[in-house]
Amino acid sequence: AQRVTQPEKLLSVFKGAPVELKCNYSYSGSPELFWYVQYSRQRLQLLLRHISRESIKGFTADLNKGETSFHLKKPFAQEEDSAMYYCALRGGFKTIFGAGTRLFVKA
Amino acid sequence: DGGITQSPKYLFRKEGQNVTLSCEQNLNHDAMYWYRQDPGQGLRLIYYSQIVNDFQKGDIAEGYSVSREKKESFPLTVTSAQKNPTAFYLCASSMGLAGDTQYFGPGTRLTVL
Repeated sequence: AQRVTQPEKLLSVFKGAPVELKCNYSYSGSPELFWYVQYSRQRLQLLLRHISRESIKGFTADLNKGETSFHLKKPFAQEEDSAMYYCALRGGFKTIFGAGTRLFVKA
Repeated sequence: DGGITQSPKYLFRKEGQNVTLSCEQNLNHDAMYWYRQDPGQGLRLIYYSQIVNDFQKGDIAEGYSVSREKKESFPLTVTSAQKNPTAFYLCASSMGLAGDTQYFGPGTRLTVL
């Protein structure tokens, strides 16, 4: 069965500290993984996708097929990173979203 | 913003009534989706449509219906058969189904009184 697990509902870090939002998935084929972000009073939007292998707003995510993980990382968190983050898996015609992690960056 | 619009932003419904949520996109996208967002559960797929006049059930389609008569429009009807309709509803679109980024609307919050 396709499944995306984000074990942390809330993650609180201080400004300048490293941050890692965890995402584990279950999928039998070759998945496409995404991170979406929702800032306060804004609509849900794509942050990055694994096939692009890019860094967006200082965030990176590496697909680890052995550990079936796609953790989102940033070396130095900023206050403007505070938002809701969703990990998503695209398998075939459906996209499965995790429950989300709320990141709070404290000054 | 722009691209995908949803209306209304807030909607109140009495029990036993059907209600229709609007979703329009001007991105020339073929695929459109409806999700339900509940606290602690992420987004769950209700229905999706790959092309005009075609749509498929998602994971939680019971109590919902859709139509896709135009490429730009994908309205969702929440029927009286939906047992727990109070939620935040998100519409999205993408160029196609396989591996495409989804673009989301601002959402509609439905409350059943």
